[in-house]
Amino acid sequence: DAGITQSPRYKITETGRQVTLMCHQTWSHSYMFWYRQDLGHGLRLIYYSAAADITDKGEVPDGYVVSRSKTENFPLTLESATRSQTSVYFCASRRGQGVTDTQYFGPGTRLTVL
Amino acid sequence: QKEVEQNSGPLSVPEGAIASLNCTYSDRGSQSFFWYRQYSGKSPELIMFIYSNGDKEDGRFTAQLNKASQYVSLLIRDSQPSDSATYLCAVNPPPYNNNDMRFGAGTRLTVKP
Repeated sequence: DAGITQSPRYKITETGRQVTLMCHQTWSHSYMFWYRQDLGHGLRLIYYSAAADITDKGEVPDGYVVSRSKTENFPLTLESATRSQTSVYFCASRRGQGVTDTQYFGPGTRLTVL
Repeated sequence: QKEVEQNSGPLSVPEGAIASLNCTYSDRGSQSFFWYRQYSGKSPELIMFIYSNGDKEDGRFTAQLNKASQYVSLLIRDSQPSDSATYLCAVNPPPYNNNDMRFGAGTRLTVKP
């Protein structure tokens, strides 16, 4: 049972390049999330998706694009990477919207933008 | 004022002691509250949630919620070195759908043998 996976785990890119971070979950969870984690800020939500083809902005969506054509995949694209997007990115999934529905996090992708 | 505030620590306690982690939040209408544990270099994992005033116990962990004071805490009894991690507090703000949770920056706990 793979659960939730992210790829790549580490990525170094240059300013202005497009980067796509992949997230895949095997639970058929309806909800999927993208967070970034920076020192002093904790986790901040970038985008989330309630189902295939339904996405919504979180706290820090600027500079990011998401899509969800299949329930199990939720890629995050940085269209033109900036140094301020250097961060650790976590994908998460959750079965439903209830408080008892646990949110499970992927292992994270460490992105460095030079 | 940040929406969710935690003392960044580090908080150091001896093995077997009680560790007390605190969190305050700004939105008085927040309805549900979560504690996550994050080991260094790993992803967060849920420890417990609470949504009613008072205490909620789960094994060695107790979450305490005081909505009037906008305060939530996590007590870890009989602390073990394996409890050494960063603890994140998360709050469910409007529209209270658990989709856009706000996290504190975390408190780093070290349990010394």
